Amino acid sequence: GAVVSQHPSRVICKSGTSVKIECRSLDFQATTMFWYRQFPKQSLMLMATSNEGSKATYEQGVEKDKFLINHASLTLSTLTVTSAHPEDSSFYICSARVLAVFYNEQFFGPGTRLTVL
Amino acid sequence: AQSVTQPDIHITVSEGASLELRCNYSYGATPYLFWYVQSPGQGLQLLLKYFSGDTLVQGIKGFEAEFKRSQSSFNLRKPSVHWSDAAEYFCAVGARGSQGNLIFGKGTKLSVKP
Repeated sequence: GAVVSQHPSRVICKSGTSVKIECRSLDFQATTMFWYRQFPKQSLMLMATSNEGSKATYEQGVEKDKFLINHASLTLSTLTVTSAHPEDSSFYICSARVLAVFYNEQFFGPGTRLTVL
Repeated sequence: AQSVTQPDIHITVSEGASLELRCNYSYGATPYLFWYVQSPGQGLQLLLKYFSGDTLVQGIKGFEAEFKRSQSSFNLRKPSVHWSDAAEYFCAVGARGSQGNLIFGKGTKLSVKP
């Protein structure tokens, strides 16, 4: 199956700093990637849809100026959490969509644990 | 609007016992249906999926799921649970004709007793 990686797997930062998380499709090209956020013991909530070469589409309630998404190539999307605060601490998971005839399936990365002190 | 309900937040079964995790969905037509498993601190691994055809779907690790249109359900089953199956399980719905967006249930945590 298609492989998606995320880097870093874990990051700890001070309040007020910015953190960048990378999502890469390793063996396929992904025109669309998705960013999810998962709070402890809760489900995945879609934050935004990232399309290569265009602006990301954010879900309602997600601050686009705080969560900057860049999808500069067909294999890389980045999520930058700007001026991070403790409430931004969470597990961030990306997925990449594979185009297919029948259904455009998503493949998930291993996630990034962000802790803001 | 689409929604997914996993009624059981936490289930504990004995190793070797059978397992059924419930999933109900709300959607105007037949959706695409998925079950994912997540181990602590890890991403999601696809167990199985239903697109069309045979309503009993076989997946990895000995799991299967049955799509029942009349009940809007897609329950996950395994005849004999192993200790390594302890994890969080998520049911998800993808709308037909969508761009691959998924709606997830809240998850069911499975604990396995020795």
